[in-house]
Amino acid sequence: AQKVTQAQTEISVVEKEDVTLDCVYETRDTTYYLFWYKQPPSGELVFLIRRNSFDEQNEISGRYSWNFQKSTSSFNFTITASQVVDSAVYFCALLSGGSYIPTFGRGTSLIVHP
Amino acid sequence: GAVVSQHPSRVICKSGTSVKIECRSLDFQATTMFWYRQFPKQSLMLMATSNEGSKATYEQGVEKDKFLINHASLTLSTLTVTSAHPEDSSFYICSVGRLDGQYFGPGTRLTVT
Repeated sequence: AQKVTQAQTEISVVEKEDVTLDCVYETRDTTYYLFWYKQPPSGELVFLIRRNSFDEQNEISGRYSWNFQKSTSSFNFTITASQVVDSAVYFCALLSGGSYIPTFGRGTSLIVHP
Repeated sequence: GAVVSQHPSRVICKSGTSVKIECRSLDFQATTMFWYRQFPKQSLMLMATSNEGSKATYEQGVEKDKFLINHASLTLSTLTVTSAHPEDSSFYICSVGRLDGQYFGPGTRLTVT
């Protein structure tokens, strides 16, 4: 069975602070994909990143960075110098077993105060 | 990636009426599309898998007769909420499934008064 745990329900920071959103996953498959999505108040899910299980390289995209560690089954997401526009719910998801259907975490609500 | 549209983006209807939501895959022929429901401050809940040319596969607890799904072509799936009630008010999201992930539509916010 697949499982994604986002232990942080809500995080509140002040603008310009760095913030890390945690994601821990469980799967018995050796081939899988991990995702992060952003859901702003408008509701539309915005794709942020996909990482496959064979690529443990960390990735940086502007103020966003991702730390994939298979040893701890974690795929954490860091926002550097947060901005008010980063306020949203962030979902981590796992796709494995040849399925088209990802398993979503419960989401972490990030609130960035000016 | 795939581009997915949904229509309408927002709908308000009276209790007892039916509402149809369209999901279109604009640049990808999708044999499989998915319908999710999301309540406030909760994660996405898969309702059903829409299969082109055949019956949809519903998740446990989802009423087939209430949420009618039609996937008549490789680019269009529709979800009809029949005899809607206030408890059906929610955010409905469709997606196109590919092996490298799912591509989501912008969602439809349904309010039943």
